[in-house]
Amino acid sequence: AQSVTQLGSHVSVSEGALVLLRCNYSSSVPPYLFWYVQYPNQGLQLLLKYTTGATLVKGINGFEAEFKKSETSFHLTKPSAHMSDAAEYFCAVTPSGFQKLVFGTGTRLLVSP
Amino acid sequence: NAGVTQTPKFQVLKTGQSMTLQCAQDMNHEYMSWYRQDPGMGLRLIHYSVGAGITDQGEVPNGYNVSRSTTEDFPLRLLSAAPSQTSVYFCASRDSRNTIYFGEGSWLTVV
Repeated sequence: AQSVTQLGSHVSVSEGALVLLRCNYSSSVPPYLFWYVQYPNQGLQLLLKYTTGATLVKGINGFEAEFKKSETSFHLTKPSAHMSDAAEYFCAVTPSGFQKLVFGTGTRLLVSP
Repeated sequence: NAGVTQTPKFQVLKTGQSMTLQCAQDMNHEYMSWYRQDPGMGLRLIHYSVGAGITDQGEVPNGYNVSRSTTEDFPLRLLSAAPSQTSVYFCASRDSRNTIYFGEGSWLTVV
């Protein structure tokens, strides 16, 4: 079975600071991994995904994530936070056969001026 | 290209009433699914479908029915609404590159 753990339900950063949102996964088979962003009262938007190949994945809005199999992690980073990055972020995992996408509980990113 | 369209966006039901949340996609995706989102619990899969005529249960299927008579539509039926079904519901479809597209959500309150 697959599962995802997101450490920290809330993360606060100052504008211009590094953003680091943590995600650890559990999967019995090679996983596909995703990060989604949700702005208030909206649906989820894909930030980036890892399926196969390069372990450093670049996404939209300057975000990137690195798949580390040895650490079973897929942490999301952005070098410099913008006010517009304030949102809720979800990590998700699915086995490579892709029947079910399992989400973490989400991390709310707060950005202060 | 409308993507994934959900209706209604907001609904208030009384306990025991039934209703259907509609979901349609115009991208010819075979895979569609329904999730519910509750505070602190992320998104949980209710039901999914890998093609017309094929549906299967997800993590929290009780109290919900689905059908998939066409590729485009995947309605979610609440048989007898309960306050525990107060939630935000998202429909999603998936393309051949395993990218999932979400609708904008349906806010349901059961009183």
